[in-house]
Amino acid sequence: GAVVSQHPSRVICKSGTSVKIECRSLDFQATTMFWYRQFPKQSLMLMATSNEGSKATYEQGVEKDKFLINHASLTLSTLTVTSAHPEDSSFYICSAKTGVLSGTEAFFGQGTRLTVV
Amino acid sequence: GQNIDQPTEMTATEGAIVQINCTYQTSGFNGLFWYQQHAGEAPTFLSYNVLDGLEEKGRFSSFLSRSKGYSYLLLKELQMKDSASYLCAVRAREYGNKLVFGAGTILRVKS
Repeated sequence: GAVVSQHPSRVICKSGTSVKIECRSLDFQATTMFWYRQFPKQSLMLMATSNEGSKATYEQGVEKDKFLINHASLTLSTLTVTSAHPEDSSFYICSAKTGVLSGTEAFFGQGTRLTVV
Repeated sequence: GQNIDQPTEMTATEGAIVQINCTYQTSGFNGLFWYQQHAGEAPTFLSYNVLDGLEEKGRFSSFLSRSKGYSYLLLKELQMKDSASYLCAVRAREYGNKLVFGAGTILRVKS
């Protein structure tokens, strides 16, 4: 399947600082990338859809000024958690796709475990 | 996720067969996905169904009935390493063709 790489896999940061997470498509060009968040013992919740060269689309209840998304190239999207607080501690996962119904969005990156202390 | 239901937990014995059901209600259905997720890891893609019928892939099979809004994941010859959470996800025009996930089914395989 399509290869999506996410970095870092784990990060611990102090409350009030910002953290950047990268999502790369390694063997295809991703016109769209998706960012999910998963709290313990819960399912994946879509946070935002990132389109190359345009603004991200955020799901209801997700603060766009807090979760900054940049999709500057066809292989890289970044999610920056600004002014992180302990309640932002979660597992963040990305997926990427090319085309409308290509099926490549089925494949996820390894995920990033964020802990805010 | 919206209108996607699957059992919370299931327990089965090593070597046995287990069926995990998923029901959904949506308009503009465009595919159903099954994932396996071990604790602390990202989900791993298992199967994709968009047409009615059974898709078989080794020990895992997935079935879809679009008219009934129903799918199941069948795991044969269960192994201890199959203990994980299994997520059902639906793609539909109603969701902007994005994946919407069910809450997941925790499967415990006992010896």
